[in-house]
Amino acid sequence: KQEVTQIPAALSVPEGENLVLNCSFTDSAIYNLQWFRQDPGKGLTSLLLIQSSQREQTSGRLNASLDKSSGRSTLYIAASQPGDSATYLCAVEPDSNYQLIWGAGTKLIIKP
Amino acid sequence: EAQVTQNPRYLITVTGKKLTVTCSQNMNHEYMSWYRQDPGLGLRQIYYSMNVEVTDKGDVPEGYKVSRKEKRNFPLILESPSPNQTSLYFCASSTSSGRLWEQYFGPGTRLTVT
Repeated sequence: KQEVTQIPAALSVPEGENLVLNCSFTDSAIYNLQWFRQDPGKGLTSLLLIQSSQREQTSGRLNASLDKSSGRSTLYIAASQPGDSATYLCAVEPDSNYQLIWGAGTKLIIKP
Repeated sequence: EAQVTQNPRYLITVTGKKLTVTCSQNMNHEYMSWYRQDPGLGLRQIYYSMNVEVTDKGDVPEGYKVSRKEKRNFPLILESPSPNQTSLYFCASSTSSGRLWEQYFGPGTRLTVT
């Protein structure tokens, strides 16, 4: 059964730092992997989607990488800002069905 | 504006009192889904629907019902709520008819069952 793990559960860094959030999954038979941002009271917003055949995706200051063989993905945030404070979730879509399997998230706090 | 709306946003109820959480999307999406989110567990799928009149169980369907009579609406029904259904609930919709590309989420409904 696919399991998705995100470490650390929480992270606090000063503004301006580059940082990496980690996501690992147990079964490499995935169709895609997605990173989401969750803000309190505002639901979830899709940040980046990486198809299984891709190695990375970039959007602005965000870069997500995927290594299927090792079951890992990273979300790199460059030049962090207080507005980046949120919970970041990763989710994988298995090859076998139309569902997303979610990690528990990393709560990120950027200190001004 | 493309969006998924949920109502109510907050609900406190008592054990056994039937309730419905509504979900509506204005993007003509085929796929809709309900999730619950509990601390430390991430999101877990309750039910999903690939299209009108087509619904399937997710990972945690017990105690919930859904219906998809119209493309835009996907209500979540708790016939007899219990305290273990206290959670944050999200509705989502997706444009893909085959795979789950970008999903749009509602703002969430925080349910407390006493």
